[in-house]
Parts: sequence; structure tokens; C-alpha cells
Amino acid sequence: QVQLVESGAEVKKPGASVKVSCKASGYSFTSYYMHWVRQAPGQGLEWMGWINPNSGGTSYAQKFQGRVTMTRDTSISTAYMELSSLRSDDTAVYYCARDRRLRAVAGIDYWGQGTLVTVSS
Amino acid sequence: DIQMTQSPSSLSASVGDRVTITCRPSQSISSYLNWYQQKPGKAPKLLIYAASSLQSGVPSRFSGSGSGTDFTLTISSLQPEDFATYYCQQSYSTLVAFGGGTKVEIK
Repeated sequence: QVQLVESGAEVKKPGASVKVSCKASGYSFTSYYMHWVRQAPGQGLEWMGWINPNSGGTSYAQKFQGRVTMTRDTSISTAYMELSSLRSDDTAVYYCARDRRLRAVAGIDYWGQGTLVTVSS
Repeated sequence: DIQMTQSPSSLSASVGDRVTITCRPSQSISSYLNWYQQKPGKAPKLLIYAASSLQSGVPSRFSGSGSGTDFTLTISSLQPEDFATYYCQQSYSTLVAFGGGTKVEIK
């Protein structure tokens, strides 16, 4: 069965960076795009970007351009999302989420459990 | 970027009611529209993809319709487990975007 297991909660100071990992299992990691979506407390879903695990190609939401980097390690079927220059309004649950369609962007059918990132001085 | 506008932002309904939620993208997205349900503390769940296709395992009381710039999610007979927040999402552009969400509450 498809599983996405994210790394644990993080507490960071403003200006720092955070790197969240997402280990995939139960499917061919390189065949499906991986999205990152965040949700601030009491707020809606915000798409951050995706990575094509096969090529390493990425697409980022304009809001996060220059601050987010998505990478992957195919040898261990793991995707990473690094967000830099953290601010208090980056406090959120960060989800990795697999696209439902082979080698395309079409919607999300599997989600990680979420990683809470708290930014506080 | 394509902006997604959902309405209403919240609604109150009773068990058994028919509920309709609307999603309007800022430009035509053909049928590249998905719907998700999210319950508190949980990850979202895919309900409908490609505007009207029911995801496997999702009850048939959920349905989606529309194309272009006007989409609807309908719950034909609201059940207690359907009280949640619903989001639309466009996948027409590789710059994916979610709507703001519609919270369905118990009347």
C-alpha cells in the first residue's frame, strides 16, 4: 500500500531554514510527481510546489520562489522540502502528497501525515 | 496564476440535506478540477477528480459537475460523517492552486 512518512515536528527561529523529508513506499517513487502543501493553523490549504522525482524538475508557487527548494534522493525513495528565511507566518503543517496520475500533474491521491513547523523566537 | 474562488465559505446544514458548493477559477480550466474533503487534524482526502469522476471508495452521494469556469460539488443527502471542510483544486496549470475552502457545519 502507498505510504508517505514525513519527518518529525520542528521548532525554528525566525531567519532559519527547515528541511522536511518524505519517505515513500508501496509504489514506484520515480513515476509520480510529489507535491508539497502547507496549512497554517485554522487556515486553508496552500500549494507550494512539486518535484518530478524522475528528472528532479520542479515547479514552485510564485509566493515561495527563491525561498523553497524541493529535492529528492531516488536511492531511498525520499523527497525533501527546504524552506529558508523563516518567518512567524510560516508556522504551519507541511504535507507531502503524491499526484494521482503517472508522470503528470492531475491531483493528489495520497498524503503524508503532515509535519508541524513552528517558527518562534 | 489561476485563482480559485469557492462559495460559500461556510454553511450550516442538517443531516439529509442536499448541499451544493461552488468553485470558480479565474480562467477556463476545462475539466481539470478536483475536490477534497478535510476533517480536523487529518490530511485531505480526494473525493472527485477531473470535475466529475468519483474517486475509488468515495460514497455515491458525492458528485461533481461543471467545466470551464463554473464547477459544483453536490452532496445529495448529507450524512453525519460529511461535516468537514471541502476544497477545490485546479490541475489545468502546472502551478496548482486550491480554493479557500467551504466549511460544512451542523445546523
